[in-house]
Order: sequence, then C-alpha cells, then structure tokens
Amino acid sequence: AQSVAQPEDQVNVAEGNPLTVKCTYSVSGNPYLFWYVQYPNRGLQFLLKYITGDNLVKGSYGFEAEFNKSQTSFHLKKPSALVSDSALYFCAVRDGGFGNEKLTFGTGTRLTIIP
Amino acid sequence: DGGITQSPKYLFRKEGQNVTLSCEQNLNHDAMYWYRQDPGQGLRLIYYSQIVNDFQKGDIAEGYSVSREKKESFPLTVTSAQKNPTAFYLCASSGRDRGNTIYFGEGSWLTVV
Repeated sequence: AQSVAQPEDQVNVAEGNPLTVKCTYSVSGNPYLFWYVQYPNRGLQFLLKYITGDNLVKGSYGFEAEFNKSQTSFHLKKPSALVSDSALYFCAVRDGGFGNEKLTFGTGTRLTIIP
Repeated sequence: DGGITQSPKYLFRKEGQNVTLSCEQNLNHDAMYWYRQDPGQGLRLIYYSQIVNDFQKGDIAEGYSVSREKKESFPLTVTSAQKNPTAFYLCASSGRDRGNTIYFGEGSWLTVV
C-alpha cells in the first residue's frame, strides 16, 4: 500500500520569506514523488518530481523539494515567497514497482502569501 | 498546442439523469485517468486506463462508467446511481517519461440540481 500525508491544511508566509510545505510518504518499494499546484477552478499543474539521484530536486517557478529517505519526507521549498504563489499544493506518491500506474495524493495544503 | 481538453467546464444535472464528461488528449499518452475532487478530501481515483479497450476501477468507481475506444479519448459517465455526484472532476494522462508523470486537464464542475 502507498500513502502520503500533508500535515498542515494551511500555511501562511509573509512575502519575501522562505516557505516550506511539508509532505511525508509511505511505500513498500522505491518512491516516486511529485508536487502539484492548483489555482482556483483550475486543474493541477505539475511542479517537480523525484525519481532517483540527487536528493534536491528543482522545479518550476523557483520551487525545489528535498527527498529525505530516512525521514520519508519530500518537503516543498522556495527561498523567497511571492504573492502569486498563493494556491493549493498537493504532494503525491507512487510505488516505483513495474506496472503500478496509480498515484496517491495527499489532501492538499493551502498556501497563503501575505503581502 | 498539446494538452488535455475537458468539456464542458460547468454542467448542471437533474437528479435521475446520466451525464457524460468528455476528455481528449493529444499528447500521445497511453494511460488516462479520472479523479474526483471534493473540498478537504484531496483527489480520489475513479477509473483509469492503461491501454485502449481496457480500464480498471479506482477507489470510488461505484456509480460511474467509462470507455476507452480510442487512445485520445476517455469519457466518464456519471450515472443516476451515483448518490452524491456534485464535485469537480479531473481528467489526466501519463506517458512514458521517467516516473510516468501525470498531467491534468482543467477540470469539469458537475452540479446536481
């Protein structure tokens, strides 16, 4: 079984400050990890993913995420928040085993950047 | 432009009626998915298809049906048996990149009136 948890429903950050959105996961095999962003009434947009290799992954719009195997975490980060970063963020995990097409999503974290 | 097109964006249905949501992709992706999104519950998988003429139930398939007659198309029918169909429905697809990244359409709002 695979699962993902986003422990914070809401995160507020002042504009210009660094931001972190937390994600922890559980899989039996090797994890494939993803972050998506959703703006109101829109579909999800892919931000970045970790498959193998470097634990620090860089993605769109200046976001990055750090894979930590010992803590089973994949936190999303950005050095300096913009008001336009305000949105709903989803972490997702897939067990990297062959033939597993199902992606499991967290419940989402609403990020609000305060001007 | 390559992408995933969902239609209609907004749909109103009377109780007891079936409705079909359209999803078309021109990304040449093999796999396609339907998710349902409710506030505070994240995304839940309804059905998915890895190849033409084949599909599998997801976590909440009851009251829904799909078909996959063409690689590009994966329509979802919300039947009258679905007890609480009002939700935001998201179609997605994935190809053969590393990790089989899933990409989403813009979604369809279904409201039962």
